[in-house]
Amino acid sequence: DIVLTQSPALAVSLGQRATISCRASESVRSSMHWYQQKSGQQPKLLIYGASNLASGVPARFSGSGSGTDFTFTIDPVEADDIATYYCQQSRNDPTFGAGTKLELK
Amino acid sequence: EIQLQESGPGLVKPSQSLSLTCSVTGYTITSGYDWSWIRKFPGNKMEWMGYISYSGSTNYNPSLKSRISITRDTSKNQFFLQLNSVTTEDTATYYCARRRRNYGYNYWGQGVMVTVSS
Repeated sequence: DIVLTQSPALAVSLGQRATISCRASESVRSSMHWYQQKSGQQPKLLIYGASNLASGVPARFSGSGSGTDFTFTIDPVEADDIATYYCQQSRNDPTFGAGTKLELK
Repeated sequence: EIQLQESGPGLVKPSQSLSLTCSVTGYTITSGYDWSWIRKFPGNKMEWMGYISYSGSTNYNPSLKSRISITRDTSKNQFFLQLNSVTTEDTATYYCARRRRNYGYNYWGQGVMVTVSS
């Protein structure tokens, strides 16, 4: 299995930039996707193919990277963005990162 | 509007089988995509369980291969999860989702919480 490593939590102030990283144990090329999950809700696709914005997702969300190192950015952070963010690879059988909980400073 | 909805028992006894249904509206499951089951454990770890493709082929997580079966009823536009010989470690929220490979899971059900307990 390809293991995806995310930092467990990130504290950020409203209006500032939040950057979440995801490192893969082997190259996944650009087959990385990012999801937002709020408490009690299903995950929501935000970014697919490392850097492509999913339909209806605001442009303050973005993604970059390829190979083993990926970054997900929210700029600027709004109150509604408080959630847990997961990376997921589809290079091989799908695996997910453990999630990064975005918190307010 | 495409919608997925999971249904099934919320409590299953150890050693029994867990059976869930995903009902899809707004899209015909034989038209395209992979129709997947994903679960989220207490503590937030997420695990892909497997999928049935629009053509009916299946692919399962190797860690579950001996216990899992995903089938479908095209007349009802539903697909199903069966997980055999469950233990307390199978306690999780189970989601069905639609995937196009390399494009992520773009539609998800609301999820159903299943507890394995005697």
